[in-house]
Amino acid sequence: QVQLVQSGTEVKKPGASVKVSCKASGYTFTTHGFSWVRQAPGQGLEWMGWISANSGDTDYAQKVQGRVTLTTDTSTSTAYMELRSLRFDDTAVYYCARDVAPARFDFWGQGTLVTVSS
Amino acid sequence: EIVLTQSPGTLSLSPGERATLSCRASQSISSSYLAWYQQKPGQAPRLLIYDASSRATGIPDRFSGSGSGTDFTLTISRLEPEDFAVYYCQQYERSPPGYTFGQGTKLEIK
Repeated sequence: QVQLVQSGTEVKKPGASVKVSCKASGYTFTTHGFSWVRQAPGQGLEWMGWISANSGDTDYAQKVQGRVTLTTDTSTSTAYMELRSLRFDDTAVYYCARDVAPARFDFWGQGTLVTVSS
Repeated sequence: EIVLTQSPGTLSLSPGERATLSCRASQSISSSYLAWYQQKPGQAPRLLIYDASSRATGIPDRFSGSGSGTDFTLTISRLEPEDFAVYYCQQYERSPPGYTFGQGTKLEIK
């Protein structure tokens, strides 16, 4: 069965960086890409970017472009999201999702809470 | 950038009733690029509908999606207690490539 397991809660200071991992299992890793979505407390869903697990091609949302980097490690079937220059409003739950086709995120990780606090 | 507007913001219904949730796009989108998700408190979203009207694996047939162009609808024919949650629509744009979500509709027990 397909599973996406994310790394644990992070607390960071403003200006720091965070790297969240998403380990996939139950399917061939390079078959599908990953999107990353975040959700600020009590708010809706915000797409951050996409990465092809096969080619490494990426697309980023304009709002976070320049601060976010998506990568994958095919040897460990793990996707990563790194966000730099953290601000208070980056506090959110960050999700990875398997992106099997445009607008079809069929499996999601459990979410990783990132808190930015001084 | 295409904006998705969901209505109503909150919908109060009783189990057994029919729920109709709306998602309106600021410009026409391909039906192949419209999805619906359900999210319960403390959980990740779950894919319900893709391609505007195709049910995802394991989704009960009381959930259905319809629409085209700028107007899309998620219908839950007879509400079960576990259906009370927040629902989001999502669309994909080719240029520039990316996704947007609606702001969500909260379906609550009346």
